Amino acid sequence: DAKTTQPTSMDCAEGRAANLPCNHSTISGNEYVYWYRQIHSQGPQYIIHGLKNNETNEMASLIITEDRKSSTLILPHATLRDTAVYYCIVRAVNQGGKLIFGQGTELSVKP
Amino acid sequence: DAMVIQNPRYQVTQFGKPVTLSCSQTLNHNVMYWYQQKSSQAPKLLFHYYDKDFNNEADTPDNFQSRRPNTSFCFLDIRSPGLGDAAMYLCATSRSTRQGIRDEQYFGPGTRLTVT
Repeated sequence: DAKTTQPTSMDCAEGRAANLPCNHSTISGNEYVYWYRQIHSQGPQYIIHGLKNNETNEMASLIITEDRKSSTLILPHATLRDTAVYYCIVRAVNQGGKLIFGQGTELSVKP
Repeated sequence: DAMVIQNPRYQVTQFGKPVTLSCSQTLNHNVMYWYQQKSSQAPKLLFHYYDKDFNNEADTPDNFQSRRPNTSFCFLDIRSPGLGDAAMYLCATSRSTRQGIRDEQYFGPGTRLTVT
């Protein structure tokens, strides 16, 4: 079973920041939080991952709470092309690197 | 550009007729995965190869098999497709299964399988 909880859907205005929350209250100390997204009819795309420190790359920022029980993915300036399903995944340990996808958040960026 | 390629993008097969889906990669990654994604559902891992070592998920039906003849190619064989096997099949690769390095998975565009 997926170890994360995300809202089913969210809307965001184009050009505004999109903040996608994820709860992972049972995360283990050596498990990472990964974010992927899947644009309609395409394969999932890696966005970012982190352990306990905040992370930023060219696509997004990842904020992880101090107790590591939740995190937020931030798309700083959402565009229409960011409309997708966003998956927050806790990376399984010693299970061959498998990704267990939850249901994700369907983000709709609107003009 | 280096990438994960899946052919064909759309495949139609008849009920009970064996079908093979193919995946190739130019990333030289040592791990290759096959996921099944049914309509409006999240992807679900079927199995993966770490180099030549095959790792099957406990709940993957025996109807699904896989072959990896070399680093670049991996095949998904469905021996007797049923109507319930209609889905998008996604191939992915990663450099390693260890934590702590850039071992994110790279996905292909998927093959949408229809069973008639």
